[in-house]
Amino acid sequence: DIQMTQSPSSLSASVGDRVTFTCRTSQSISTYLNWYQHKPGKAPRLLIYAVSHLQSGVPSRFSGSGSETDFALTITSLQPEDFATYYCQQSYRPLYTFGQGTKLEVK
Amino acid sequence: EVQLVESGGGLVQPGGSLRLSCVASGFTFSSHWMHWVRQASGQGLVWVSRINRDESSTSYADSVKGRFTISRDNAKNTLYLQMDSLRAEDTALYYCVREIGAPGNFDYWGRGTLVTVSS
Repeated sequence: DIQMTQSPSSLSASVGDRVTFTCRTSQSISTYLNWYQHKPGKAPRLLIYAVSHLQSGVPSRFSGSGSETDFALTITSLQPEDFATYYCQQSYRPLYTFGQGTKLEVK
Repeated sequence: EVQLVESGGGLVQPGGSLRLSCVASGFTFSSHWMHWVRQASGQGLVWVSRINRDESSTSYADSVKGRFTISRDNAKNTLYLQMDSLRAEDTALYYCVREIGAPGNFDYWGRGTLVTVSS
């Protein structure tokens, strides 16, 4: 199984800040890496697919980068609605493993 | 508007069974692979199962293989998850998920249905 490790597990930031989360995989997954945003009581939302492709409707302040085993999600100029938990996910092969999540909290 | 609405969750004793349903609307259901993903309280997301467009191919996580069965009725725009021999560790919120484009890309999710396995 492909293991996903996200860091940090939580992050405190303020509106307007730039933040970056990282995701490391236990083996190369080429560019088969997606990012999701999840708020309590709501359905998870696909933000970025294939490392850096923005899903339709997602603001341009979100961006993704990386390849092989090391990936990052960056949010420039945090907005109030961005405070949530973010998950990376490999789509290289089933089990389509998710990371354990990074919780972005208000400082 | 794409909508996925899950139902069928509830409290069940260990060893019992439940059948989850997910009614899809706002898109051509038969054109998409569909998945179930679960999340235990305070834990991360875990992929459970997938089914292709015509039900000819299914896959399962090892933890549920042999106990869970995924199926679909394209005429009713409905996805199912039959869960048998339930265990305490199956307790979770179960999400119905649509796949788009490449395998494993999940663009729409339901809000989930809660399954609690406890005596």
